[in-house]
Amino acid sequence: DGGITQSPKYLFRKEGQNVTLSCEQNLNHDAMYWYRQDPGQGLRLIYYSQIVNDFQKGDIAEGYSVSREKKESFPLTVTSAQKNPTAFYLCASSRGLAGGLNEQFFGPGTRLTVL
Amino acid sequence: RKEVEQDPGPFNVPEGATVAFNCTYSNSASQSFFWYRQDCRKEPKLLMSVYSSGNEDGRFTAQLNRASQYISLLIRDSKLSDSATYLCVVKVLTGGGNKLTFGTGTQLKVEL
Repeated sequence: DGGITQSPKYLFRKEGQNVTLSCEQNLNHDAMYWYRQDPGQGLRLIYYSQIVNDFQKGDIAEGYSVSREKKESFPLTVTSAQKNPTAFYLCASSRGLAGGLNEQFFGPGTRLTVL
Repeated sequence: RKEVEQDPGPFNVPEGATVAFNCTYSNSASQSFFWYRQDCRKEPKLLMSVYSSGNEDGRFTAQLNRASQYISLLIRDSKLSDSATYLCVVKVLTGGGNKLTFGTGTQLKVEL
């Protein structure tokens, strides 16, 4: 089945530790995105990547880092510099810039809790 | 002013009712519009795109008013399974690529 997978579903970390969230897609999509969602707030864009080996900061990139070494994979690292890391993290992908509506499809998300 | 604004609700409606949500957006350069559905503690899923002429998908009808910068979603004959949060999403093409901006969502609760 084609889709986006994120792992783990739940993640607990101690304050001050870096943690990496996984995102893999087999939809052959060029573009991938990371969002975070907090209660009562809309999704906010952290980072996005239009092609392999290239990525741009979103609206709330501070305290996060990403890499895009493969088309299928776009891992997100939440560093100790992120002040409020506890949130629901969603990865998404889309066909990319070229034409069309470029709907984004989401993975199931990772709930990160920093203790 | 938020880029995309929605009434958070909740909208509590009886099964079989018709319910409508509105959403306003501030960027007149917005190109594409979508409604996503998000169930509790789940990922958002595309419900429907919104076309300029309006479009219908079964019990769901979406409308776009570019002059007033709002989009709407109408749900007819509500089902219990329609209970969810409905996210209004707007796409703008920027120098760095296409960017989606999400509203905070409108919560719908369909009751017996």
